Amino acid sequence: EILMTQSPATLSVSPGERVTLSCRASESVSRNLAWYQQRPGQAPRLLIYGISTRAPGIPARFSGSGSGTEFTLTISSLQSEDFALYYCQQYNNRPPYTFGQGTKLEIK
Amino acid sequence: EVQLVQSGAEVKKPGESLKISCQGSGYRFTGYWIGWVRQMPGKGLEWVGIIYPADSDTRYSPSSQGHVTMSVDYSISTAYLQWNNLRASDTATYYCAAITVHGTYAFNVWGQGTMVTVSS
Repeated sequence: EILMTQSPATLSVSPGERVTLSCRASESVSRNLAWYQQRPGQAPRLLIYGISTRAPGIPARFSGSGSGTEFTLTISSLQSEDFALYYCQQYNNRPPYTFGQGTKLEIK
Repeated sequence: EVQLVQSGAEVKKPGESLKISCQGSGYRFTGYWIGWVRQMPGKGLEWVGIIYPADSDTRYSPSSQGHVTMSVDYSISTAYLQWNNLRASDTATYYCAAITVHGTYAFNVWGQGTMVTVSS
């Protein structure tokens, strides 16, 4: 089973700032990496798949990058609605398609 | 509109059985994997498993295998997650989610979640 580790656990930032969230896989997952956003009391929402492809309707301020075992999600200018939990997920080869433990973005 | 609608919250006792549902609409239900994700109170997301409605091919996580059963009734575009022997540790919100983007196993359509409480 591939272990996904996200850092940091919590990030305190101000609206308008640029932020980068990290995700590391215990082994290479090729391009099979996705990012999700979960707002309080809501279901998760797919932001990015295939490392860098935005899902339909996702604003351009969200971007993904990385390769192999190291990945990042960047939000170029934080809006109030972006303060939420973010999870990475790998879906390489065989299941289980594991999630990271999450990074919470909170308002500074 | 593509959507998944899940059944309502449940309160059960340890040892009881339960089957929760997830009905898809707005897309060809049999053509795409559908899966389940667990979220225990205050915790992160856990991948439970996926099922392909056309032939009921299933893939479980090792921690779920043997404790839950996924099934579908494609005549009513509905997926199910079932327990025969609930434990207190099954208390969680369960999301169904579909994979409708080819070439990926990322969940791009999500249900609203079903909260399951198991308590004596």
